[in-house]
Amino acid sequence: AQSVTQLDSQVPVFEEAPVELRCNYSSSVSVYLFWYVQYPNQGLQLLLKYLSGSTLVKGINGFEAEFNKSQTSFHLRKPSVHISDTAEYFCAVRGGYNKLIFGAGTRLAVHP
Amino acid sequence: EAQVTQNPRYLITVTGKKLTVTCSQNMNHEYMSWYRQDPGLGLRQIYYSMNVEVTDKGDVPEGYKVSRKEKRNFPLILESPSPNQTSLYFCASSLTLGHYNEQFFGPGTRLTVL
Repeated sequence: AQSVTQLDSQVPVFEEAPVELRCNYSSSVSVYLFWYVQYPNQGLQLLLKYLSGSTLVKGINGFEAEFNKSQTSFHLRKPSVHISDTAEYFCAVRGGYNKLIFGAGTRLAVHP
Repeated sequence: EAQVTQNPRYLITVTGKKLTVTCSQNMNHEYMSWYRQDPGLGLRQIYYSMNVEVTDKGDVPEGYKVSRKEKRNFPLILESPSPNQTSLYFCASSLTLGHYNEQFFGPGTRLTVL
């Protein structure tokens, strides 16, 4: 069965510092991976996705993620965060019939 | 503007009182689905629909019903809500089942069942 584990439930960081949000997945079939962001009181917005090809994926708002098949990871990174990046971030893997299997989420809190 | 809309955005109700949460998309998407979001659990799929009149259960379908009579609408029905259905609900849609199709999410409906 496919599953996603987000290793940190909360990540506090100071503005302009780098950040990494960790995600590990389990899948026995072709892997399609996603990162979504949820700003307060809003829906989910796609940050980036890995479908195939280059293992380094660039997304919106300066985020990037690296697909590592041997470590079954898909960590999200940003070299310099802003206050506006404060949100909850969800890693997901595509399951059967287009279902998205989500991790529990990581709350990123950016402090001035 | 291409979007997924949900109504209502907030709802407080009592146990056993039937309710419907509407979901509509204006992108001519074939695939639609419902998720619930609970703290520490992420989002879990309730039901999905591959096209008009084609629906199937997701991971947590108990206590919910859906219908897909028109391509654009996919309402979520709670016939007899219970407190354990208090949650944040999201509707999502994508063009087709293809893995390369992005899923678009609605703004969410926060439901409280007393």
